[in-house]
Amino acid sequence: QKEVEQNSGPLSVPEGAIASLNCTYSDRGSQSFFWYRQYSGKSPELIMFIYSNGDKEDGRFTAQLNKASQYVSLLIRDSQPSDSATYLCAVGPTGGGNKLTFGTGTQLKVEL
Amino acid sequence: GAGVSQSPSNKVTEKGKDVELRCDPISGHTALYWYRQSLGQGLEFLIYFQGNSAPDKSGLPSDRFSAERTGGSVSTLTIQRTQQEDSAVYLCASSYLDYSYNEQFFGPGTRLTVL
Repeated sequence: QKEVEQNSGPLSVPEGAIASLNCTYSDRGSQSFFWYRQYSGKSPELIMFIYSNGDKEDGRFTAQLNKASQYVSLLIRDSQPSDSATYLCAVGPTGGGNKLTFGTGTQLKVEL
Repeated sequence: GAGVSQSPSNKVTEKGKDVELRCDPISGHTALYWYRQSLGQGLEFLIYFQGNSAPDKSGLPSDRFSAERTGGSVSTLTIQRTQQEDSAVYLCASSYLDYSYNEQFFGPGTRLTVL
């Protein structure tokens, strides 16, 4: 079992729709969770982080964390073609710290 | 500098040759990370320098891979006797060493091609 699992996609959504990206993790003690966006041929960039159970909203993005289910998701409202990218879920280690484990990413395509 | 820089941006080498990849982290960042990303794959952790502590080398795939960080700043990743399976984009990232907030900022990467 991979430590951080994501559906590779592609996930296709029409412009203006809500895109829902999911991630599960195996380390029950993980305390920090990150979503990075990576455009084709570019480096990853952080878009959201979440530490506590529940929802965290930032503009069109909402991160959702459920530690009991070991599940973290990213919702993108009013999806735009510019949101088309690969979204990487990253999980911090038990006890905190800086070493992150990344999933393989979900490719999102927002269609006109 | 404004961000993490890496050099070279592209490197083509022949199988069996040694290569050195360089990373300049953001000034003031005491944590530095190396990752490898193969085509269509996620980020594979290689090594992590955490301030003055011993580096976490648990992700290095073989003893052909090594890395140094001099003066707590610039880092060099060395791959000896390169193999075709070493072809990938090598990404460097840096961050503050802070338990509560450890956003990693990535450099543009070095694309390594081993012929």
